[in-house]
Amino acid sequence: AQTIHQWPVAEIKAVGSPLSLGCTIKGKSSPNLYWYWQATGGTLQQLFYSITVGQVESVVQLNLSASRPKDDQFILSTEKLLLSHSGFYLCAWSLANTEVFFGKGTRLTVV
Amino acid sequence: GQQVQQSPASLVLQEGENAELQCNFSTSLNSMQWFYQRPGGSLVSLFYNPSGTKHSGRLTSTTVIKERRSSLHISSSQTTDSGTYLCALDLDTNAYKVIFGKGTHLHVLP
Repeated sequence: AQTIHQWPVAEIKAVGSPLSLGCTIKGKSSPNLYWYWQATGGTLQQLFYSITVGQVESVVQLNLSASRPKDDQFILSTEKLLLSHSGFYLCAWSLANTEVFFGKGTRLTVV
Repeated sequence: GQQVQQSPASLVLQEGENAELQCNFSTSLNSMQWFYQRPGGSLVSLFYNPSGTKHSGRLTSTTVIKERRSSLHISSSQTTDSGTYLCALDLDTNAYKVIFGKGTHLHVLP
């Protein structure tokens, strides 16, 4: 069975500090991977997608970057957090044109 | 314009009443999913339904591609159904984009 694991579950970080959020998918080879973000009370927005190792496409610019160092790993990061980065981050995977499966998410509070 | 529109934005029901939630989209699509979003933010997948009708307990999802709409029907609502329901579409743009609606906030009163 496929599993998707996100870490950490929650973070409280200072403005200007670096951030790294991670996501690992087990049990499925070469999935499409996605990062989503939701501001409090807002709509879930897709930030990045990746269809293969080493290749990441940006969908929405939020002064964040993403990388896919391994087939089963997706990393979201920034060197300097902004207050506007606060919110809920979700990682997801799918195969082409099929159901999308989501992790449990990371709640980020920037203070 | 918006590619995905959910309606109503919010809905208040008495327990036992039925609810009909709508999701309308502006282009053809590859896939359609309905989710329940927990208060903490995590998503519960309700249906993967790119076309036709699917049932799960008191829930029914119907997607009509040529009318560019999908609905989620909740029968005999319960207070535990309260929360936010989201539709998510993989639009047929070959762009690997899955777009969420703004959601319907359902409140079921005892």
